[in-house]
Amino acid sequence: DTEVTQTPKHLVMGMTNKKSLKCEQHMGHRAMYWYKQKAKKPPELMFVYSYEKLSINESVPSRFSPECPNSSLLNLHLHALQPEDSALYLCASSQEAPGGKETQYFGPGTRLLVL
Amino acid sequence: KNEVEQSPQNLTAQEGEFITINCSYSVGISALHWLQQHPGGGIVSLFMLSSGKKKHGRLIATINIQEKHSSLHITASHPRDSAVYICAVRSRTSGSRLTFGEGTQLTVNP
Repeated sequence: DTEVTQTPKHLVMGMTNKKSLKCEQHMGHRAMYWYKQKAKKPPELMFVYSYEKLSINESVPSRFSPECPNSSLLNLHLHALQPEDSALYLCASSQEAPGGKETQYFGPGTRLLVL
Repeated sequence: KNEVEQSPQNLTAQEGEFITINCSYSVGISALHWLQQHPGGGIVSLFMLSSGKKKHGRLIATINIQEKHSSLHITASHPRDSAVYICAVRSRTSGSRLTFGEGTQLTVNP
């Protein structure tokens, strides 16, 4: 199983809503990532979890709150978002490999629209 | 100047044509990745390279570490190859971070 799944596929939310994005993998990967991708732009790294601990936070605003409840699951909690936060949110996972030569496996993404 | 530069930005080809997409980078790397993104959004990892050449079906990826350059070739292109192709590098000092190129939008017409 080389699949990363993400739910929901699409999400529309108001600026006062609280919602969560979910990501799951069963490949035994110990690193999981959240990316944000705007139209016609490459993905931008938001967070990295390694062995269920937050290892990288790319100065993401606190209205985005990641959570890694176990080694297979990664959540992104959303609160008080702005319209400019509308984007495709991609989850990825990878196995640790010597010399940094691991492949990241990406999920299909959640397309978020903030009204 | 971006650390990872791709060319061309857009490429239109006729079915059956041989296609080349180029990627140049300016940092020391541990690995270079070629990724494919279809309009639906999901990203598929095509290749990971640290030296030499890899082939998978009609796709070939090469890397020249000394020249800091990689190419992705598609032989006998097909409309289903239409997608955005993204070059990404993992530098030796960036930890888990990938640095992405801006992508190449490929359209293959029947």
